[in-house]
Amino acid sequence: QLQVQESGPGLVKPSETLSLTCTLSGDSISSPSYYWGWIRQPPGKGLEWIGSIYYSGSTYYNPSLNSRLTISVDTSKNQLSLKLRSVTAADTAVYYCVRQHQLENYFDPWGQGTLVTVSS
Amino acid sequence: DIEMTQSPSSVSASVGDRVTITCRASQGISSWLAWYQQKPGNAPKLLIYAASSLQSGVPSRFSGSESGADFTLTISSLQPEDFATYYCQQTKSFPLTFGGGTKVEIK
Repeated sequence: QLQVQESGPGLVKPSETLSLTCTLSGDSISSPSYYWGWIRQPPGKGLEWIGSIYYSGSTYYNPSLNSRLTISVDTSKNQLSLKLRSVTAADTAVYYCVRQHQLENYFDPWGQGTLVTVSS
Repeated sequence: DIEMTQSPSSVSASVGDRVTITCRASQGISSWLAWYQQKPGNAPKLLIYAASSLQSGVPSRFSGSESGADFTLTISSLQPEDFATYYCQQTKSFPLTFGGGTKVEIK
């Protein structure tokens, strides 16, 4: 059974880069049946898709974040990573790592999420 | 971008009630819609995909349907564990977008 686990700093200073890693167990990030992605949820608010990546390296980004965002995969480590540059308080959120069905585009399963706070 | 509008934003209901939540897309998405349940402090959980396909392990009291541009999530008989926030998501095209959520509260 697939499990995904996010990791990374819980506190990032404004203008710096938010970096998170997602480690997969129970499935291969090289599976052709899935994308792998990130979704975030500001405290008390709704869900926002950040971006997705295919094992080949093809990426799809939310246009609102595109200029600051890099998502990549490390197939040797079975890991997914997120880098969001020039963060502000508006980037404070719980960040979820997700598996995305390649044809149907739904998300399942979700990681437990990690809270990242942007503050000096 | 495809905008997803959910209604109501919250609903108060009792155990055993039938609850319906509606989601409307700003443009045609055919059956490209998923529903999720999120309990406080937990990650969302997939309930339904392709508008009406029940995810494995999800109780049969949950169902999804579509009528024109409107999509509906129905809980046929609300159980105590169903009090949560529900989100719809269009799965038709990037950027993937969610509705604003519907909180189902205890009456």
